[in-house]
Amino acid sequence: GAVVSQHPSWVICKSGTSVKIECRSLDFQATTMFWYRQFPKQSLMLMATSNEGSKATYEQGVEKDKFLINHASLTLSTLTVTSAHPEDSSFYICSARGTDGHYGYTFGSGTRLTVV
Amino acid sequence: GESVGLHLPTLSVQEGDNSIINCAYSNSASDYFIWYKQESGKGPQFIIDIRSNMDKRQGQRVTVLLNKTVKHLSLQIAATQPGDSAVYFCAENDFNKFYFGSGTKLNVKP
Repeated sequence: GAVVSQHPSWVICKSGTSVKIECRSLDFQATTMFWYRQFPKQSLMLMATSNEGSKATYEQGVEKDKFLINHASLTLSTLTVTSAHPEDSSFYICSARGTDGHYGYTFGSGTRLTVV
Repeated sequence: GESVGLHLPTLSVQEGDNSIINCAYSNSASDYFIWYKQESGKGPQFIIDIRSNMDKRQGQRVTVLLNKTVKHLSLQIAATQPGDSAVYFCAENDFNKFYFGSGTKLNVKP
């Protein structure tokens, strides 16, 4: 089945630094990848949608300069949290949608970001 | 995104009993819905989906019901097991993006 690998699974960084999170589709090509953010005991909030080779589309209220998304290939999308602050601490989850017509999509295992 | 909400934040059931988790959605134009299961510290796992041209779909031990008239979804889990303990989300498709409801935590008591 479709597998999405997300790395790292957890990261601790100092305030003011940037952190990159990778999302890879391992056995299928993903034309579209989605990035979500989840606070404890809350739902997943869609942050942005990225299509291979084009600019990401951000949801209302999400700072595109803060959360940089790159989708350079059909198997890799990255989310970079720039100048991270403690309020950026959260669980970040990606998902990928394949090119084979599969309508639903597969989620990565998530990245726990803690900014200290 | 569209508003997708759940009626019950926490549901406790006895092992072996049936569970029913409910979800209300707001976009009457949504044509596709998915139920996900999320265990602590993990990403969501697909459970079952349903298109708007259906009102019921069954999987292995799970059934999803869709009532478009009142914009309501439910997930029924038969013979609930301890391994079913998790948070369950419904997600609504809106222009090929999924928006999640607030989630219901299912506790299965042995």
